Amino acid sequence: GQNIDQPTEMTATEGAIVQINCTYQTSGFNGLFWYQQHAGEAPTFLSYNVLDGLEEKGRFSSFLSRSKGYSYLLLKELQMKDSASYLCAVRPFSGTYKYIFGTGTRLKVLA
Amino acid sequence: DAGVTQSPTHLIKTRGQQVTLRCSPKSGHDTVSWYQQALGQGPQFIFQYYEEEERQRGNFPDRFSGHQFPNYSSELNVNALLLGDSALYLCASSIQGRETQYFGPGTRLLVL
Repeated sequence: GQNIDQPTEMTATEGAIVQINCTYQTSGFNGLFWYQQHAGEAPTFLSYNVLDGLEEKGRFSSFLSRSKGYSYLLLKELQMKDSASYLCAVRPFSGTYKYIFGTGTRLKVLA
Repeated sequence: DAGVTQSPTHLIKTRGQQVTLRCSPKSGHDTVSWYQQALGQGPQFIFQYYEEEERQRGNFPDRFSGHQFPNYSSELNVNALLLGDSALYLCASSIQGRETQYFGPGTRLLVL
């Protein structure tokens, strides 16, 4: 079967660093995505990893280990506006156009 | 550069009715995917359209159907609505051959 696991909720303090983990078990792998979703809004694309390693984009970084079926999203210098759900999604194999999403991690940033 | 747009933003229907949701992809995009997102859950893939054809479908019944027009816009139709169809319906567009999908603001459907 296809399965993506993320923590349900996390809390962090403004200015701190937080790491949101995602593990996946899918029939094949052809890329992993992170999206940010504020309450009642559409998901916004953050990052895409297809090779092992770290991708850095400003305050956000995403890491992938294909052998471990593991990724994390690292948020630095947290701001109040970073309070949102963070969705991990996998495209299982190149012959499919279907993206499988996790249930999301709800991040609360406290002052 | 207009992003993905969807209409209507909100909709209330009763059980057994039919609904049509609309999506215009981001400029330059030719592929449209539809997702259903229940409260507190991640988006679930319904189907994807490319070149006016449905080319992959998720685990949704035939009550869910769609269409893509020559200008790449798309419609999602749901027949015989059930209470469980209440959700946020998201449209995502992309360019064939490229991985990243960009989401519209969604249509929130409530079935009473």
